[in-house]
Amino acid sequence: GAVVSQHPSWVICKSGTSVKIECRSLDFQATTMFWYRQFPKQSLMLMATSNEGSKATYEQGVEKDKFLINHASLTLSTLTVTSAHPEDSSFYICSASGRVNYGYTFGSGTRLTVV
Amino acid sequence: AQKVTQAQTEISVVEKEDVTLDCVYETRDTTYYLFWYKQPPSGELVFLIRRNSFDEQNEISGRYSWNFQKSTSSFNFTITASQVVDSAVYFCALSEADFNKFYFGSGTKLNVKP
Repeated sequence: GAVVSQHPSWVICKSGTSVKIECRSLDFQATTMFWYRQFPKQSLMLMATSNEGSKATYEQGVEKDKFLINHASLTLSTLTVTSAHPEDSSFYICSASGRVNYGYTFGSGTRLTVV
Repeated sequence: AQKVTQAQTEISVVEKEDVTLDCVYETRDTTYYLFWYKQPPSGELVFLIRRNSFDEQNEISGRYSWNFQKSTSSFNFTITASQVVDSAVYFCALSEADFNKFYFGSGTKLNVKP
């Protein structure tokens, strides 16, 4: 149990375009989902926390208008990187938390490259 | 504020050697959770262990063992008889009891050479 699926696993996009990343809880209801970013050879940093049906809470320094988070259902949260630039190239990973899973299962991550 | 420190950036050992990865944390919470994750080159995070702040018992799982000491705010991870497949980046992390967001250390890259 407690499986978190993330899609796509990798994406290459042109500068200025938008990219959507999906995070799904497959076998439990995720009331909260977390989005992290990891730059090459660095640690994972929390970007935002999303609760189902309400607005996401962003960490300091993360632009909410650039990283749009939607958590419209108990099994799906999406992160959209709008007007992507090369400096947004990173590894994005989500985790989901519900009554049976305390956020220690992560998705497999999405490697975004903006060219 | 929560903080996790992994002072060892990179460690290289020869297969069959034992290796200990250090983790020191800071928190003002009395209830918290500590974790270790393995991140292979493919990028996914592989869960290794979760320990709550009230359980200081050391744990052993096969070749892996963990030493949790609240007195020194440390949660160290030892791999016994290391293998090449253990090569990865290992992260120590701390989470608050209520909201489950994680604070990660900077990671330790372990290279196990044959």
